[in-house]
Amino acid sequence: DTEVTQTPKHLVMGMTNKKSLKCEQHMGHRAMYWYKQKAKKPPELMFVYSYEKLSINESVPSRFSPECPNSSLLNLHLHALQPEDSALYLCASSQGANLRRAGRNEQFFGPGTRLTVL
Amino acid sequence: DAKTTQPNSMESNEEEPVHLPCNHSTISGTDYIHWYRQLPSQGPEYVIHGLTSNVNNRMASLAIAEDRKSSTLILHRATLRDAAVYYCILRASNFGNEKLTFGTGTRLTIIP
Repeated sequence: DTEVTQTPKHLVMGMTNKKSLKCEQHMGHRAMYWYKQKAKKPPELMFVYSYEKLSINESVPSRFSPECPNSSLLNLHLHALQPEDSALYLCASSQGANLRRAGRNEQFFGPGTRLTVL
Repeated sequence: DAKTTQPNSMESNEEEPVHLPCNHSTISGTDYIHWYRQLPSQGPEYVIHGLTSNVNNRMASLAIAEDRKSSTLILHRATLRDAAVYYCILRASNFGNEKLTFGTGTRLTIIP
């Protein structure tokens, strides 16, 4: 199974709502990622979890709160978002940081959740 | 991470080879060259990576210049399914660096 699944596929929420995006992989990967992609732009890294610990936060506003309950699951909790946060949110996974494979691990991406904030 | 420069767009005829260039003049000696592509309405997918030598896999070939300041992704026989945005990305090989920093990429159009 080389698939990363994301739910929901589409999400519409108001600025006062609280919602969560979910990501799951069963490849035994120990690194998981959240990216944000605006229309016609490349993906931008938001967070990296390595061995279930947050290792990179790219100065993301606190209204986005990541969580990694176990090595297969990654959540992104959303609260008090703004309309400009509307985007495609992509989850990815890869083998964990490994000295022998440093710089070579490929990332497997899910299809994304398309988020619209009204 | 060092930067890459790619043409914004390219066109190619179906069933012909496609050569997608990437310049990375500030590449360091230990940076790997990765290529990903993103088909319409999908997440990016890994295509290939290399360090110094040319590389082949079932999807494509990667030709790396001797000075490593440029590389070319080669699709040997383009199909309509290859229409996508292709990203050339440099990845440092220091331990724990799991970042992928996407540039603007090349939008490849395949003409039937």
